[in-house]
Amino acid sequence: AQSVAQPEDQVNVAEGNPLTVKCTYSVSGNPYLFWYVQYPNRGLQFLLKYITGDNLVKGSYGFEAEFNKSQTSFHLKKPSALVSDSALYFCAVREKDDKIIFGKGTRLHILP
Amino acid sequence: SAVISQKPSRDICQRGTSLTIQCQVDSQVTMMFWYRQQPGQSLTLIATANQGSEATYESGFVIDKFPISRPNLTFSTLTVSNMSPEDSSIYLCTGGGDAYNEQFFGPGTRLTVL
Repeated sequence: AQSVAQPEDQVNVAEGNPLTVKCTYSVSGNPYLFWYVQYPNRGLQFLLKYITGDNLVKGSYGFEAEFNKSQTSFHLKKPSALVSDSALYFCAVREKDDKIIFGKGTRLHILP
Repeated sequence: SAVISQKPSRDICQRGTSLTIQCQVDSQVTMMFWYRQQPGQSLTLIATANQGSEATYESGFVIDKFPISRPNLTFSTLTVSNMSPEDSSIYLCTGGGDAYNEQFFGPGTRLTVL
């Protein structure tokens, strides 16, 4: 079965600094990888996906993620963090039967 | 992208009762999925619902507790039966079927069981 791991429960970053939220994956075959964000008391929002092609994927709100096959990673990044980026971030992988399996989530705190 | 809506958006229920959650997608989808998100936790897949067949349940979830209907390609219901406080969660549905598309989630149903 496919799986993703998010090694950090929480990440703290100062506003204006670059941020990285880590994700590693374990899949058989080509991975379909996703990042979702959940703001307090709101639904789950899609940020970006990697299916194939360029290893650097750009998504919503200035986020991007780098697919690294040799390190089996798909880290989420943003060059300059905003306080409004504070939220819960989920890495996810799609299985062959289209089920989405989520990581445990990483809470991102952007400090003013 | 697909738009997902759920009813009710939230409810407070008594122990031992049942609640049926409705999920509507604005386009036809082959499969619909039901997830549970317990407070402060990640999303856990409950079951996959295909039209015209019984839902497929993940380990730890059973049909008697979480019966699901899928009468057409845009609609599904999940019933949480004989509720206990441990069932207090956000329940989310989504649709899929195209291996190249992401799944979009609705705002979910926030259930509190007293």
